[in-house]
Amino acid sequence: DQQVKQNSPSLSVQEGRISILNCDYTNSMFDYFLWYKKYPAEGPTFLISISSIKDKNEDGRFTVFLNKSAKHLSLHIVPSQPGDSAVYFCAASLTNSNYQLIWGAGTKLIIKP
Amino acid sequence: ETGVTQTPRHLVMGMTNKKSLKCEQHLGHNAMYWYKQSAKKPLELMFVYSLEERVENNSVPSRFSPECPNSSHLFLHLHTLQPEDSALYLCASSLEQGFNSPLHFGNGTRLTVT
Repeated sequence: DQQVKQNSPSLSVQEGRISILNCDYTNSMFDYFLWYKKYPAEGPTFLISISSIKDKNEDGRFTVFLNKSAKHLSLHIVPSQPGDSAVYFCAASLTNSNYQLIWGAGTKLIIKP
Repeated sequence: ETGVTQTPRHLVMGMTNKKSLKCEQHLGHNAMYWYKQSAKKPLELMFVYSLEERVENNSVPSRFSPECPNSSHLFLHLHTLQPEDSALYLCASSLEQGFNSPLHFGNGTRLTVT
């Protein structure tokens, strides 16, 4: 059973608008959450992270929100740009360790010009 | 240039073949990882090496055999694979274990088992 779920396989957003990517998790003990971005024919690259002691973390156009009571994580991209078209992976961990990341299946974001 | 180089990019092998995937990192990182990504499924961690010692082995079948001769190189030796092993195999490295040191991935090897 998947502990980290990205229920939308794909999402299409107009350039300049807000993109919201969602991630749900089942294990309330997860302490750290990360987002990675992947272009075709390339490996994933780290985007942003958040620990469970926070409910928001912002880095430029990217903001991650954590709702622990709902076991829900979201990534907001504002404004969306064509270069944001990629697959976005959500990942979670019980500890501050890259060795124990649990990954979602990814959401493909398409930014329309 | 990602700093993590994987070869080959594509590999087709029969079920009786033996082949190896190679990963090299020039980032001075201490940890290296093998991940498997099957279509529309989450990334699955296969193996982790820290300072050339294996620290994680997530119940991977013995037909996959990792080797880490030094902190810059990681191999995945394959033999008698099954068609369901066809997937994208990703290598990654990180400076340390914690999240202040994110994973750096290679571009992957697309493996097809016939």
